[in-house]
Amino acid sequence: QVQLQESGPGLVKPSQTLSLTCTVSGGSISSGNYYWSWIRQPAGKGLEWIGRIYASGSTNYNPSLKRRFTISVDTSKNQFSLKLSSVTAADTAVYYCAREGAGEYNWYFDLWGRGTLVTVSS
Amino acid sequence: DIQMTQSPSTLSASVGDRVTITCRASQSINRWLAWYQQKPGKAPNLLIYKASSLESGVPSRFSGSGSGTEFTLTISSLQPDDFATYYCQQYNDYSRTFGQGTKVEIK
Repeated sequence: QVQLQESGPGLVKPSQTLSLTCTVSGGSISSGNYYWSWIRQPAGKGLEWIGRIYASGSTNYNPSLKRRFTISVDTSKNQFSLKLSSVTAADTAVYYCAREGAGEYNWYFDLWGRGTLVTVSS
Repeated sequence: DIQMTQSPSTLSASVGDRVTITCRASQSINRWLAWYQQKPGKAPNLLIYKASSLESGVPSRFSGSGSGTEFTLTISSLQPDDFATYYCQQYNDYSRTFGQGTKVEIK
């Protein structure tokens, strides 16, 4: 079955750029039936949707977040990635990648990675 | 942005209890609402979509209802595995927003 796995550094210094990758296994990221999203969760707090990408490279971002996020896709590697620039301690969180339906109003998350903890600290 | 508000924030209940969690949207979201269960240290797990559709593999003791701005998640008979935090999520517009969560604790 399809699985998602996040990878990336667990510790990032303030003002640097955070880079995370989500590897899709057991299925193709180019299947056309799904969007691929990033969601984060600070310790003890709720979930915040960051944005999503389609296999074509088309993206949507949470309009409530400042434009420090960039999501990209590498279909040859069956991966999609998240970059967050100028990180601060407020960006410390567990970052999840998730699959979202691509059909109209199927925009819920039916598959999640295990999550990766990113700590911003000097 | 559409704001989602869950109540209560914490709920204490016993095994076998009927449990209801409410989620209110700041504007109408039709039936475009999902519910998730999250256990400590784990990713959320989809329970319900389109307000009342049960995700495959989810026990039938979970049910969802509502439309417009008010929604409920009901667990008909609480089981030991159900002690967790539950989140609602709207997908009516391009910004997916979650409720703040409801923690179901052992009474």
